[in-house]
Amino acid sequence: NAGVTQTPKFQVLKTGQSMTLQCAQDMNHEYMSWYRQDPGMGLRLIHYSVGAGITDQGEVPNGYNVSRSTTEDFPLRLLSAAPSQTSVYFCASREDHTNTYEQYFGPGTRLTVT
Amino acid sequence: AQKVTQAQTEISVVEKEDVTLDCVYETRDTTYYLFWYKQPPSGELVFLIRRNSFDEQNEISGRYSWNFQKSTSSFNFTITASQVVDSAVYFCALLSGPYNTDKLIFGTGTRLQVFP
Repeated sequence: NAGVTQTPKFQVLKTGQSMTLQCAQDMNHEYMSWYRQDPGMGLRLIHYSVGAGITDQGEVPNGYNVSRSTTEDFPLRLLSAAPSQTSVYFCASREDHTNTYEQYFGPGTRLTVT
Repeated sequence: AQKVTQAQTEISVVEKEDVTLDCVYETRDTTYYLFWYKQPPSGELVFLIRRNSFDEQNEISGRYSWNFQKSTSSFNFTITASQVVDSAVYFCALLSGPYNTDKLIFGTGTRLQVFP
């Protein structure tokens, strides 16, 4: 298993540009989520999905869109990038039918908006 | 509301010292899970431990040990005989609420530096 994969690893955008951060998992996990990590603030939940076709907002959803058309993929879209979205983005997944609740994290995408 | 507090922003120790990382959590749920993650300089998040609210037994894994005390809402992490490779940011996290949500709440992390 590749686990949770994210692309790209690094990205530089100009203010106003849009882009999609890709996330995929091959563990057949129902739950997937996106976090952003900023210095001194830990990880904050952006959006999450409890299964294909179902998404919901987390703590900091503004400026981001998600969709979940398949179990494997959970892309995060930045509609119009702003410098405040400069951050490291982590995608995560977990099973839904066990009690482990262990989240598997991807390697992260470092995004800079100038 | 759920909240995780890691009051120690940064800790520096010399190799072979013992070090304890504090974690205090808040939740009104009776069923919840607590986690510790390690983030080494390479940036990935490494799962260390999960503990559910009904299991207050302390756990030891090699040089790592965890002390869960519901009475003080704490889930502290101790590294015995620290090594340079332990240098990382450590996050405590809380998962509570309805089963079909995925809102893992993280603390702000504690940066541990172990000097040789």
